[in-house]
Amino acid sequence: AQKITQTQPGMFVQEKEAVTLDCTYDTSDPSYGLFWYKQPSSGEMIFLIYQGSYDQQNATEGRYSLNFQKARKSANLVISASQLGDSAMYFCAMREGDGGYNKLIFGAGTRLAVHP
Amino acid sequence: DTAVSQTPKYLVTQMGNDKSIKCEQNLGHDTMYWYKQDSKKFLKIMFSYNNKELIINETVPNRFSPKSPDKAHLNLHINSLELGDSAVYFCASSPGLSGNTIYFGEGSWLTVV
Repeated sequence: AQKITQTQPGMFVQEKEAVTLDCTYDTSDPSYGLFWYKQPSSGEMIFLIYQGSYDQQNATEGRYSLNFQKARKSANLVISASQLGDSAMYFCAMREGDGGYNKLIFGAGTRLAVHP
Repeated sequence: DTAVSQTPKYLVTQMGNDKSIKCEQNLGHDTMYWYKQDSKKFLKIMFSYNNKELIINETVPNRFSPKSPDKAHLNLHINSLELGDSAVYFCASSPGLSGNTIYFGEGSWLTVV
């Protein structure tokens, strides 16, 4: 079974609107961490946001927020007020366990296109 | 200054050659990694080192040999390059073995012809 599933290969959004990128995960470990990364066309991997499995609050970083629904095993990324520069691939990743040595398991990614 | 830097950024080489990719981090982190991104953009861990000690080796062919001379550097040497080795190789680092931040380098594009 896939550990990280990103069901949207591609998404379109109008500039200044909000967009949600879906991510579901599969683990039986009670301790895990969820990460989101952005990969623009230039290729670098940019860390966006982190959510720990024991965190009570949804993580937020500027225009990025993580809609963490533990019972549903989902960790969707919400980007508010989209900008043209948000056009990129977005990857969800999971680290299992405290001793997971930060071995990240990545999803297949979602390509986001922001239109003016 | 780039926090995690890799060289070279682009590398085109012939099958059978041996090549190295270097990685350095100036964040004071204890743990470093190599990830491989294939042509379908799928990312997978290859190795991780903590304080120069090998922690993870993800069933990578032994043609790939990581070397960590100190905790700020993790180099990747590849022997007898094959066409299937063509990929983007990312170095990454984190403060320790777990936690909430893992920073990636800009990637090294390897093309084997």
